[in-house]
Amino acid sequence: DQQVKQNSPSLSVQEGRISILNCDYTNSMFDYFLWYKKYPAEGPTFLISISSIKDKNEDGRFTVFLNKSAKHLSLHIVPSQPGDSAVYFCAASEWGGNQFYFGTGTSLTVIP
Amino acid sequence: EAQVTQNPRYLITVTGKKLTVTCSQNMNHEYMSWYRQDPGLGLRQIYYSMNVEVTDKGDVPEGYKVSRKEKRNFPLILESPSPNQTSLYFCASSFFHGQGVTEAFFGQGTRLTVV
Repeated sequence: DQQVKQNSPSLSVQEGRISILNCDYTNSMFDYFLWYKKYPAEGPTFLISISSIKDKNEDGRFTVFLNKSAKHLSLHIVPSQPGDSAVYFCAASEWGGNQFYFGTGTSLTVIP
Repeated sequence: EAQVTQNPRYLITVTGKKLTVTCSQNMNHEYMSWYRQDPGLGLRQIYYSMNVEVTDKGDVPEGYKVSRKEKRNFPLILESPSPNQTSLYFCASSFFHGQGVTEAFFGQGTRLTVV
């Protein structure tokens, strides 16, 4: 059973606009969350993380929001750039845990 | 340069012919793991290792074996590959400490086709 879900397989956004990628989880024990970015023919690369003691974490154009009560997190990219076109995976773990659980990925296309 | 190296990048094999995909990391990470990526299913963990000689099953371990004899290497072994193991495989490594597993560094992937 998929504990981490990304319900949008794909998303298209105009360059300069905001991209919002969503992720839902079912396990209330998860308290550490990460986003990865994956280009074709490459492995995923770490983008940004958040722990459950926070509800927001920013790194440049990337911001992750966590809503623990809704078991939902989102990744905002502002402004979106064509180089952001990639597949984005969210992942979750229990603090102190030894496994990450990944979502199915969202393919983002940023249109110039 | 910090990296996780997998070999081979592409492999086509026949059903039942044993194969090994190698994985090596140069970051002195304690934790290493293998994932497979399939359309619509995302990344699913096959096996992981928290240190030398310590391995454990992930979510989809059937048909796979691993070993961790040295800290830097974590090979994935398919003793008798079947077509349903056709997939894109990723090796990853992370630090592991009291607060758990940190963000992973992934290899470039191995595209395996079993005919």
